[in-house]
Amino acid sequence: QKEVEQNSGPLSVPEGAIASLNCTYSDRVSQSFFWYRQYSGKSPELIMSIYSNGDKEDGRFTAQLNKASQYVSLLIRDSQPSDSATYLCAVSDDYKLSFGAGTTVTVRA
Amino acid sequence: GAVVSQHPSWVICKSGTSVKIECRSLDFQATTMFWYRQFPKQSLMLMATSNEGSKATYEQGVEKDKFLINHASLTLSTLTVTSAHPEDSSFYICSAPRGGVEQPQHFGDGTRLSIL
Repeated sequence: QKEVEQNSGPLSVPEGAIASLNCTYSDRVSQSFFWYRQYSGKSPELIMSIYSNGDKEDGRFTAQLNKASQYVSLLIRDSQPSDSATYLCAVSDDYKLSFGAGTTVTVRA
Repeated sequence: GAVVSQHPSWVICKSGTSVKIECRSLDFQATTMFWYRQFPKQSLMLMATSNEGSKATYEQGVEKDKFLINHASLTLSTLTVTSAHPEDSSFYICSAPRGGVEQPQHFGDGTRLSIL
């Protein structure tokens, strides 16, 4: 599988702050990029998908993609305690997903 | 609501037992489904791609004879862990893309398998 690297955690942020998650990938031909949220003991839940360079916003979440730098990020604005989870970056170019190791985020009340 | 259903959610059995896990796509057809395994504190690793009407495609290092995959209909894929041993204990998760393989994958709730 392709290499997908995420910034090491855990990441602790106060409630209401911005959590910033980063991901780099090794395969230049990758076309599809996803962020999944996984609560402890649960399966991943899709948060964002992004396919072209630039920003994509959905509520409190913003994904950024830079294919030239092989970099994708996720910003979580106004972080809530319910955002505490592990966030997985996933990359695909031929329908198979390669996952990063995940970044665990803890939002302090 | 859930778009992919996985059953059972939890299995505890003795070493040497074979265990079948079902993955169903709800209200959509999935010609392709995926099976992952996740060990504690690790990320998801793709085990195999399940193809309706044809043989599954296994990732390197995954034993075909141990992890049998059957995709007999457009809404159902099964994973059978044959002669399971303690080292097979893990969290098994299936996924299916809704609307085509290029679409985001939706995951089942996972099956936690514990082999004694």
